[in-house]
Amino acid sequence: LAKTTQPISMDSYEGQEVNITCSHNNIATNDYITWYQQFPSQGPRFIIQGYKTKVTNEVASLFIPADRKSSTLSLPRVSLSDTAVYYCLVGDRGGANNLFFGTGTRLTVIP
Amino acid sequence: GAVVSQHPSRVICKSGTSVKIECRSLDFQATTMFWYRQFPKQSLMLMATSNEGSKATYEQGVEKDKFLINHASLTLSTLTVTSAHPEDSSFYICSAPPSGYNEQFFGPGTRLTVL
Repeated sequence: LAKTTQPISMDSYEGQEVNITCSHNNIATNDYITWYQQFPSQGPRFIIQGYKTKVTNEVASLFIPADRKSSTLSLPRVSLSDTAVYYCLVGDRGGANNLFFGTGTRLTVIP
Repeated sequence: GAVVSQHPSRVICKSGTSVKIECRSLDFQATTMFWYRQFPKQSLMLMATSNEGSKATYEQGVEKDKFLINHASLTLSTLTVTSAHPEDSSFYICSAPPSGYNEQFFGPGTRLTVL
């Protein structure tokens, strides 16, 4: 499975847009990019998944360049409740294979 | 969406005892479930893959005789930490991939504290 690299931590003020970039240089042709959010003492929760270009849902947007060696999770107008750890994973679309989590990015939203 | 539950949510036990953690898929069947361990301020580490009706597959470095996994039905997998020691204290999380979904659904986790 492709290894992912993310910044360890980020701080942002409330109301700002936050962009978290993930590098996955060895992504395979069939791999999808999936982002999960984890609050303290809870299991991770799915945020968004994409293969190429741009994907948007009610929570976030995911930008994937043509070479797919990186991806950027964009959280619009963050609030204090968005403080969490965000994980970028690369693997099959259905999630039926085990998931190997990288370090994740600890986002702290400041009032 | 699909729901995965875990029981108990937290457990405290004495060193040397065994602890069983249950993982249930509440509204879907899961032939495969995954068990993770997470230490404070660290990422999730995959421990093993639980397969319904067959033996679990353990990741390198995870002792299969210490972490017993039983996947007796399509909705239940159990992880038993045998002869627990303080270093086994951790947050244990299970997950399952429902068919037709593009994601894993994770349980809420079980906080194990071994005294």
